[in-house]
Amino acid sequence: GNSVTQMEGPVTLSEEAFLTINCTYTATGYPSLFWYVQYPGEGLQLLLKATKADDKGSNKGFEATYRKETTSFHLEKGSVQVSDSAVYFCALSVGAGNQFYFGTGTSLTVIP
Amino acid sequence: NAGVTQTPKFRVLKTGQSMTLLCAQDMNHEYMYWYRQDPGMGLRLIHYSVGEGTTAKGEVPDGYNVSRLKKQNFLLGLESAAPSQTSVYFCASSPWSGGANTGELFFGEGSRLTVL
Repeated sequence: GNSVTQMEGPVTLSEEAFLTINCTYTATGYPSLFWYVQYPGEGLQLLLKATKADDKGSNKGFEATYRKETTSFHLEKGSVQVSDSAVYFCALSVGAGNQFYFGTGTSLTVIP
Repeated sequence: NAGVTQTPKFRVLKTGQSMTLLCAQDMNHEYMYWYRQDPGMGLRLIHYSVGEGTTAKGEVPDGYNVSRLKKQNFLLGLESAAPSQTSVYFCASSPWSGGANTGELFFGEGSRLTVL
């Protein structure tokens, strides 16, 4: 089947620390991979995506590389800010109906 | 820029009552989805639609019904609400991507439902 497993939180970091949130997946076809971010009280919004193996998605200093050999799509940022505090969801899209499968989310808190 | 709009934002129901959540999108997207978000479980797909007049079951469809009579609207109904349906509900839409599965989801702000 299709599923996404991501590192459990919550994660607490000091400002300017390095961030890694692990994400691995299983898929029946060739998926596209996404990271979504949810700020408090809001809906999810796309952070970055990659649609084929070895592609690197990047946005706002975050990046993730589609690794087909390890079925992974880990999220990284070199220096986090307080404004990055949010819940991060890894997701994959596969199938004719563009069906998305989400991980359980990782809560990140960045302290000054 | 309205995007995806959900109504109502908050609702409290008693067990056994019925209600409908409305989702409207103004981006002419083909696909629409209803998810529920529960602590520790992420987002789970309830129902989805690949076009006007079509609906399909997702991961957790029991206790819910949907309709897509107009392309821009996707309604989620609870015929007889249960406490287990207390959750935050998100509607999302996505453009057709030619079968490439690359279209991103655009989410509404969520509807918080409490069933007593």
